[in-house]
Amino acid sequence: ETGVTQSPTHLIKTRGQQVTLRCSSQSGHNTVSWYQQALGQGPQFIFQYYREEENGRGNFPPRFSGLQFPNYSSELNVNALELDDSALYLCASSPGLDGELFFGEGSRLTVL
Amino acid sequence: KNEVEQSPQNLTAQEGEFITINCSYSVGISALHWLQQHPGGGIVSLFMLSSGKKKHGRLIATINIQEKHSSLHITASHPRDSAVYICAVRYYGGSQGNLIFGKGTKLSVKP
Repeated sequence: ETGVTQSPTHLIKTRGQQVTLRCSSQSGHNTVSWYQQALGQGPQFIFQYYREEENGRGNFPPRFSGLQFPNYSSELNVNALELDDSALYLCASSPGLDGELFFGEGSRLTVL
Repeated sequence: KNEVEQSPQNLTAQEGEFITINCSYSVGISALHWLQQHPGGGIVSLFMLSSGKKKHGRLIATINIQEKHSSLHITASHPRDSAVYICAVRYYGGSQGNLIFGKGTKLSVKP
């Protein structure tokens, strides 16, 4: 059984660019949640996808968007990157809306 | 003001010591998570609880719903326990992934 994998692990972008981060959920998990963790802070909830539909969103602007695919993998897209978007982006999958969360290793984004 | 408060922020212990990390939250919750984050960034879920007490190896988590407080205890601490421990809560009506996180407690266990 493979765990949650995220790609890329590190990337550097410049202000105004767009970025796509990817998350492969653990086998049998149909729910993926995304989080942003700034340096020295706890993670913040971005949104959750359940069976390809967004199922809850945190306090993030519309330039943060996502997708979930039929195999339950997911993407996080961020448009018009700002310096404050520099952070570790974590995804977590779970076997349903009430299941335990299993986290990936994260994608570290630096915006210059 | 963060709705989830952890204490202490930093903790240094000697190997073998008993460790307690505390978490307080402000409103009613349906679940509380204790998470462990290593320097590389990856997070491991340690416990998910909504009442009482859970134990896994040397780790014990307790929660007092009335007092809106939870503790994570580590018995016989070891240098490999060095990590950031994060408390996160799901408020009533929120989905499982919609968690409010504390800022974490950085634990360093010296040999």
